[in-house]
Amino acid sequence: RKEVEQDPGPFNVPEGATVAFNCTYSNSASQSFFWYRQDCRKEPKLLMSVYSSGNEDGRFTAQLNRASQYISLLIRDSKLSDSATYLCVVRGGGFKTIFGAGTRLFVKA
Amino acid sequence: GAVVSQHPSWVICKSGTSVKIECRSLDFQATTMFWYRQFPKQSLMLMATSNEGSKATYEQGVEKDKFLINHASLTLSTLTVTSAHPEDSSFYICSARGTSGIQQETQYFGPGTRLLVL
Repeated sequence: RKEVEQDPGPFNVPEGATVAFNCTYSNSASQSFFWYRQDCRKEPKLLMSVYSSGNEDGRFTAQLNRASQYISLLIRDSKLSDSATYLCVVRGGGFKTIFGAGTRLFVKA
Repeated sequence: GAVVSQHPSWVICKSGTSVKIECRSLDFQATTMFWYRQFPKQSLMLMATSNEGSKATYEQGVEKDKFLINHASLTLSTLTVTSAHPEDSSFYICSARGTSGIQQETQYFGPGTRLLVL
């Protein structure tokens, strides 16, 4: 089993749609969780951290369920510019960071 | 703030050549830098963790004699791919973690270096 698993997609959605991504992790001792965005042939960029209480940043909402060991990202009112690969990132002790393989999103006009 | 640069951004070289990639934190000091490799349509794979002034810690399966890492200062780490072969062609990305505050909690990524070995 991979340490961090994501549905690779691709998710093809129209503009304005709401889309949700899930990610599961295997190490129950993991401490920090993030969503990164990676555009084609570019480096990953931090989208948002994920907190146990859930957090929202504009159209983006991230949630963490420690009991079930999964993280989610919800994007509301999708824009064309949201098209990218979304990486689930889990960090354990010693700052060891594991990246998921990513979920590809295509937002269509 | 928290900008990381990499140089060069593109490298095309012949098989057997050694290639050096630089990773710099431009506006903060980085105690720890990470080197990743990403093949097309695959996730980032951590190659090694580099701490300033000490030897790098390599992930399982990564040859330390093949991928030489030097972290001589708090703002510079280098990765040298020795005797590169076509299978080393990949996207190499570094990231840096700062010494304090929010920069200590976040990894800031460089723009990556595309290596093509012919």
